[in-house]
Amino acid sequence: QSALTQPASVSGSPGQSITISCSGTSSDVGKYNDVSWYQQHPGKAPKLTIYAVSKRPSGVSNRFSGSKSGNTASLTISGLQADDEADYYCCSYAGSSSYVFGTGTKVTVL
Amino acid sequence: QVQLVQSGAEVKKPGASVKVSCKASGYTFTTYYMHWVRQAPGQGLEWVGVINSGSGFISYTQKFRGRVTMTRDTSTSTVYMELSSLGSEDTAVYYCAREPSGGRNFDYWGQGTLVTVSS
Repeated sequence: QSALTQPASVSGSPGQSITISCSGTSSDVGKYNDVSWYQQHPGKAPKLTIYAVSKRPSGVSNRFSGSKSGNTASLTISGLQADDEADYYCCSYAGSSSYVFGTGTKVTVL
Repeated sequence: QVQLVQSGAEVKKPGASVKVSCKASGYTFTTYYMHWVRQAPGQGLEWVGVINSGSGFISYTQKFRGRVTMTRDTSTSTVYMELSSLGSEDTAVYYCAREPSGGRNFDYWGQGTLVTVSS
């Protein structure tokens, strides 16, 4: 399975909104509504941020939202804050109890 | 509260094997799947495989089949991942991550175990 494709980097100023794309295929992102997103700060374990395409775990800010269209999922961060600066990874169920991660996106707050 | 505590860092020589543990607490161990994910230095996340902590059902990604073995000990609520025939490309942080009931995502993660393969 090939990794899902994400932009290497996305940046924005505090208060702005940014969107990170996650491009897969009809065998993973396009087939299942099991896309999740993870935030990872340097030296830390990833943290679940969005699951089932657009659901937020308890405790995650409503500034984070997710969506999907066809084979591409997206994560939007609104009202960008300094603490949002991190790496973000998408992940999709790919059938037969397997999963595939995205290539990762570094978010920079200018 | 849910906690996943992994074993400490390892240094191994090429060709050797490594076994990493992940001790779970704060929930009913046997009713959840546990995944292993690795991250090479400066690189992205890579899914390795999953074990059903109750039934022992296992699924590995094609890349690691034949080299990886996942097991669990229900008496100590611990899962293990053993990787054999190590090469320098296996140098990475290995994470265990729990899959929530009914969900295809990873809601709790261990702190990670750095495995360094060096001669």
